[in-house]
Parts: sequence; C-alpha cells; structure tokens
Amino acid sequence: DTGVSQNPRHKITKRGQNVTFRCDPISEHNRLYWYRQTLGQGPEFLTYFQNEAQLEKSRLLSDRFSAERPKGSFSTLEIQRTEQGDSAMYLCASSFKDSNQPQHFGDGTRLSIL
Amino acid sequence: QKEVEQDPGPLSVPEGAIVSLNCTYSNSAFQYFMWYRQYSRKGPELLMYTYSSGNKEDGRFTAQVDKSSKYISLFIRDSQPSDSATYLCATFGGGATNKLIFGTGTLLAVQP
Repeated sequence: DTGVSQNPRHKITKRGQNVTFRCDPISEHNRLYWYRQTLGQGPEFLTYFQNEAQLEKSRLLSDRFSAERPKGSFSTLEIQRTEQGDSAMYLCASSFKDSNQPQHFGDGTRLSIL
Repeated sequence: QKEVEQDPGPLSVPEGAIVSLNCTYSNSAFQYFMWYRQYSRKGPELLMYTYSSGNKEDGRFTAQVDKSSKYISLFIRDSQPSDSATYLCATFGGGATNKLIFGTGTLLAVQP
C-alpha cells in the first residue's frame, strides 16, 4: 500500500499564472476527492470523481478551476489565472466505492501566490 | 452556524496526561464520525472511524459518540510528545458523494 501521492509538494507562482497539481490515489480506490485547506481551518470539499466521472463540484470551485481523472486512475487539478486567495493547501483523498468507506489523504500540494 | 464545531485550542498538556478533544455537530442525520491527526505540513491521517453512538478503542485512543447530544470526543491516554499535532473531527455530509465535513481542528502540544 503506497498511499495517496501528490505532486508537487510545494508550488510558488506569480499571480495570474496557471498551475496544475497531480494526485495518484491508492490503486484499488475508485473514488477520488479534492479538498482545499487554509491556515487554521479544516479541509473543505472541492470536487469528487468516481472512476473517471466527475460527479460533484463545490461552489468553491470557480470557473478558473478544472479537474480531470482521464483514465480513472490519477487526477489533475488546474487553476487558471491564479489569485492571492488561491493560496492554500490542496489535498487529495481516495476511498473504495462502497458507501461510507473512510477517505485516506495525501500530504497535499501547498500553493503560494506571490 | 457551522455544521461541525471544534475548539481550535491551542491545548497544551504535560507528557503522560489524558487529553480530551471534542466536537459538536448540527445535523442529526450524520451517522459516521472520524478523527484525523495532521502534523505540520502533512496531510490528515485517519485515526479513528466510528458509526453511530458508542465507544471505540484503539491502543491509547478512544473515540466516543453521543448522538443524543450531537457530541463527539477523542481521548488520548498517556499522551506523548509525538502526539503533538492538529486533531480534526469529521463526518460525512450525506448524499452519494460522502464528502467530508471537517471541524477547524484543535492544535495539541504535549510538553516533555
């Protein structure tokens, strides 16, 4: 069990640039989630995939954000035209398809906007 | 009102103390409850996963759920400096998504 892997661990970019993060879930897991965590807060749900289908998006996910999971394995989260308010830790989690299975998290990508 | 409320702390205790961490939630439909531990600059690590009311024990950790008062607790016995971390309570938000709703987290420091 290699766990959930996220890359890069830290991304520093200038305001207005585009950034892309990658998540590799635990291999047997069908479900993949993205969350965002700001300092002093718990993670907040962004979006969710079951296999390759994106089934739910939070209102937090503006039209500058897009997520994909093209073959039902790894996922990418892209932010276009980054803003200062996008600075946060972006966390990926995965779980089995069966309802109410616990989610296991990666170590996140920390995004810093200059 | 947030769906899950948690005292952010910080909480500082001496090594060997019993630690009590607590959360309240607002929706009586919530059935599953989790505690995650998060070290600085790391992702949340699942500690305890419980269903409905009752207690669950795992080593030095005990999770307790009281659905009548919408109150969940995590007890840590014989606390160690390595337990110093942020502890997050969470529950499923309902529906098919099973997205997690988290508290703000409690920062715990165990002093040697």
